[in-house]
Amino acid sequence: EPEVTQTPSHQVTQMGQEVILRCVPISNHLYFYWYRQILGQKVEFLVSFYNNEISEKSEIFDDQFSVERPDGSNFTLKIRSTKLEDSAMYFCASSGGLRTGSNYGYTFGSGTRLTVV
Amino acid sequence: KNEVEQSPQNLTAQEGEFITINCSYSVGISALHWLQQHPGGGIVSLFMLSSGKKKHGRLIATINIQEKHSSLHITASHPRDSAVYICAVRSGGTSYGKLTFGQGTILTVHP
Repeated sequence: EPEVTQTPSHQVTQMGQEVILRCVPISNHLYFYWYRQILGQKVEFLVSFYNNEISEKSEIFDDQFSVERPDGSNFTLKIRSTKLEDSAMYFCASSGGLRTGSNYGYTFGSGTRLTVV
Repeated sequence: KNEVEQSPQNLTAQEGEFITINCSYSVGISALHWLQQHPGGGIVSLFMLSSGKKKHGRLIATINIQEKHSSLHITASHPRDSAVYICAVRSGGTSYGKLTFGQGTILTVHP
């Protein structure tokens, strides 16, 4: 079964450093998303991306965040200057433009655990 | 803004018991997802519903659009079902749109 792949699985960074989280969505999907989950809290939406541009973003997704699809397969989330409160699990997801299975192919990656120290 | 509430927050069961997890939401949706999150953190999609009922193995999901309510049932529960079960709703189109998540139900099934 097709998978969404995220790398790295765990990243530790110093406050103020830039981090890039990488995702490879399912190849025939058209819509891409980033979510985050702070320890012990709900999963929260960050941003959605379609046709090479942001289609929706949350209040969390401020100027410190950016997304890119640099080469047609990877989908990246960049945090420019990390803060302690950016420590969370970050999930990438993708969904299809055509019906693919019982859930329209809404598929999550296994997550990147970001720890800011 | 859609509010998604799940109950119960914690659920402990003995192996073999029938389990029900409930989800209510406040605003009309295009679809509701039931997701499973294991201790390692990964999220697996179980069901997507826009109406009626779906079954997959021992799992059954139902939705009542008029009442803005969905339930996830697990028949003949097993310790390997222990996980966090999350309800999430989508207000976009049929195959896209952000998800708004509930807080999750922590299920523990004892042998």
